[in-house]
Amino acid sequence: DGGITQSPKYLFRKEGQNVTLSCEQNLNHDAMYWYRQDPGQGLRLIYYSQIVNDFQKGDIAEGYSVSREKKESFPLTVTSAQKNPTAFYLCASSEGRNTEAFFGQGTRLTVV
Amino acid sequence: KQEVTQIPAALSVPEGENLVLNCSFTDSAIYNLQWFRQDPGKGLTSLLLIQSSQREQTSGRLNASLDKSSGRSTLYIAASQPGDSATYLCAVSGNAGNMLTFGGGTRLMVKP
Repeated sequence: DGGITQSPKYLFRKEGQNVTLSCEQNLNHDAMYWYRQDPGQGLRLIYYSQIVNDFQKGDIAEGYSVSREKKESFPLTVTSAQKNPTAFYLCASSEGRNTEAFFGQGTRLTVV
Repeated sequence: KQEVTQIPAALSVPEGENLVLNCSFTDSAIYNLQWFRQDPGKGLTSLLLIQSSQREQTSGRLNASLDKSSGRSTLYIAASQPGDSATYLCAVSGNAGNMLTFGGGTRLMVKP
């Protein structure tokens, strides 16, 4: 069953802690993306990767880090430098430019 | 910088009504436009993708049009059903990669 799997579905972070959100795809897509969604707002791009071992900052990359060591995996780390991390995080992938984007089911991160 | 606006922000209609959701964007230099559906607490489901060279796309009761020169797209939903209740998001991809810029969404409620 092809698709994008995000885990965990819910995540709680203490102040000053780093947490990592998982995103795995079996669609054989080259490009992967991380977006953040806040209540009542559209999605904003955090990081994207168009090929293995390469990634670029999006509009709101501060306080986040990523890696792309394998084509199917694009984990996002929310660091303690991110001052307002509570949000819904969505991972997406696409074959490349000008192609349809597909999304995972999201991870809801809450700071406690 | 590309900006995407969706009007109205919320819409409530009786079952069976035909309806139109609007999306406008400020920079006409796009590769494609995509419409998504989002149910509460869930990820995004791709509905329709319109390439910049196309005028419209149809899928079942859904029809999306694109007027690139005027920076507008509409999503037409025929014979609406309660199951259509969700938030509808439009997004455009620009000149680098396939990063999407999203509108704020239209929250649709179809009443039985």
